[in-house]
Amino acid sequence: GESVGLHLPTLSVQEGDNSIINCAYSNSASDYFIWYKQESGKGPQFIIDIRSNMDKRQGQRVTVLLNKTVKHLSLQIAATQPGDSAVYFCAEILASGGGNKLTFGTGTQLKVEL
Amino acid sequence: GAGVSQSPRYKVAKRGQDVALRCDPISGHVSLFWYQQALGQGPEFLTYFQNEAQLDKSGLPSDRFFAERPEGSVSTLKIQRTQQEDSAVYLCASSTIPQGVQETQYFGPGTRLLVL
Repeated sequence: GESVGLHLPTLSVQEGDNSIINCAYSNSASDYFIWYKQESGKGPQFIIDIRSNMDKRQGQRVTVLLNKTVKHLSLQIAATQPGDSAVYFCAEILASGGGNKLTFGTGTQLKVEL
Repeated sequence: GAGVSQSPRYKVAKRGQDVALRCDPISGHVSLFWYQQALGQGPEFLTYFQNEAQLDKSGLPSDRFFAERPEGSVSTLKIQRTQQEDSAVYLCASSTIPQGVQETQYFGPGTRLLVL
């Protein structure tokens, strides 16, 4: 799996701006990807998912883009709000019958400045 | 409906002590997962249950870690003879359908374990 560091990358944005959080995943055979939001002291919260047969999926204020060629995933948050401040993780699942365990990437700390 | 719940939320243990962490998944969820999250890192897989069967325990770091789900609902993660390196947040997640079909996992708030 991916290595993760002790110091999370940080993205600072102004309230109302759009945010783009990037993730590089490790396994080219993975076929299901999820973005989670984790606030301090809480468990990860599902935001949006995408399957490998898609390259874009939209939710409410969020869009996930998948580029399988370079094994890259991004999360776009429109009109970022203070409540969006959290750590964001991408996670992948390999459809090998291995119990659908999630492999998480390095998180990104999103800070929304007023 | 209620989400995944975990207890206790916080646990302080002396090195060498045994601890038991409880997970109540969402009612009716077939799959249950345990993850370990060290400070500043993403969660890492420990073990997976489909109903009462433990189908994957490849992520358990040592034989001091043991998990069970005897009736296919509540699960307990037990750590024997705790060590300082066991200090982490232990997360439980559940999902509706079994292995082989991708489905969103819903996480509990976690148990923060501190071993002194």
